Amino acid sequence: KAGVTQTPRYLIKTRGQQVTLSCSPISGHRSVSWYQQTPGQGLQFLFEYFSETQRNKGNFPGRFSGRQFSNSRSEMNVSTLELGDSALYLCASSFRGDKNIQYFGAGTRLSVL
Amino acid sequence: SQQGEEDPQALSIQEGENATMNCSYKTSINNLQWYRQNSGRGLVHLILIRSNEREKHSGRLRVTLDTSKKSSSLLITASRAADTASYFCATVRGSTLGRLYFGRGTQLTVWP
Repeated sequence: KAGVTQTPRYLIKTRGQQVTLSCSPISGHRSVSWYQQTPGQGLQFLFEYFSETQRNKGNFPGRFSGRQFSNSRSEMNVSTLELGDSALYLCASSFRGDKNIQYFGAGTRLSVL
Repeated sequence: SQQGEEDPQALSIQEGENATMNCSYKTSINNLQWYRQNSGRGLVHLILIRSNEREKHSGRLRVTLDTSKKSSSLLITASRAADTASYFCATVRGSTLGRLYFGRGTQLTVWP
């Protein structure tokens, strides 16, 4: 099976712009979670989608949003970018059993200038 | 917010030595998992231990869980240079199965 695919791998944006990140989960996985990783805050949970519904949400401002399509692919959008949004954004998919073992993509490195 | 804390933050050892990392968490859990991350890449699942288990083995990995102390440890035996990475513990709560709560991680460096 192919792993979790995130695109693009690298992005450079300027303050005030918006950005959309994409995630294709492992075939058959219906749960997709997003995390932000920074040196200062570590790994922070953004949100989780299951069957096109947002099931869990972390403590991030409304500028961070996401969605999931019927084929389980997910996108994450950040509007009005701030310097502090520079981070590695990780997507993970899961079969959503009770173990919740998550399979991560390689991440999208976002730099906001 | 972080669920747990790893200890130590950084660990440096020679090849062939054992590496022990500890993790503490704050609330009741469904299970606890350990993940590995190589320099700025995605995380890889290593091992899972359920809340009703005390010890698990997988190859050179040994995980223990003490729910009374809300702590876990990961032991890597006979370390190799290729084990150099960051190691994170992550917990799963019953009420939020789709979410992992990560600790801050331990940076392990294994010198050849």
